[in-house]
Amino acid sequence: GQNIDQPTEMTATEGAIVQINCTYQTSGFNGLFWYQQHAGEAPTFLSYNVLDGLEEKGRFSSFLSRSKGYSYLLLKELQMKDSASYLCAVRIDYKLSFGAGTTVTVRA
Amino acid sequence: DGGITQSPKYLFRKEGQNVTLSCEQNLNHDAMYWYRQDPGQGLRLIYYSQIVNDFQKGDIAEGYSVSREKKESFPLTVTSAQKNPTAFYLCATAGQPQETQYFGPGTRLLVL
Repeated sequence: GQNIDQPTEMTATEGAIVQINCTYQTSGFNGLFWYQQHAGEAPTFLSYNVLDGLEEKGRFSSFLSRSKGYSYLLLKELQMKDSASYLCAVRIDYKLSFGAGTTVTVRA
Repeated sequence: DGGITQSPKYLFRKEGQNVTLSCEQNLNHDAMYWYRQDPGQGLRLIYYSQIVNDFQKGDIAEGYSVSREKKESFPLTVTSAQKNPTAFYLCATAGQPQETQYFGPGTRLLVL
């Protein structure tokens, strides 16, 4: 099977920065995705990395190191609405394998 | 108004009953997927289809069936053989199989 690991929970203060790590050991690799999922809702696409390095998109950035099997999602200037679950997913051929998700709680 | 629709939002199943979850899209996407989400676990792939009239089993296909007769539609049937069907079911689509997947709003299935 595929191994995709991320922390279960993280807590941070409004206005702060949080980094969510994702490590993977998979039978193949065709890119890594990050999705945000609010409670009871569908996941929404945040970012995609296929080459090593940092991709920045507003307050959110995602980093990939293929040689280390490692990615992180960086959330800056945290807002209360960022409280959600963040899902790391690895694409292998045309299928996605997901980690269990990291629940981020933002406190005032 | 383009998008992915799933119905119903909540569905109740009795013991021994088959139920069908609807997934419709008007995005003209070729690829469609069904996932199951349980608390504390990642999304798990049930079935996927890369083109009309063709579909493949995912990681947990047992107790489920699908059809892909039209590009717009990819219904999922949860059969009585699925002994633990209570979960949040998510449909996703992608323009092409190698592209980003986008999710519908989901259907929550509960057993009476």
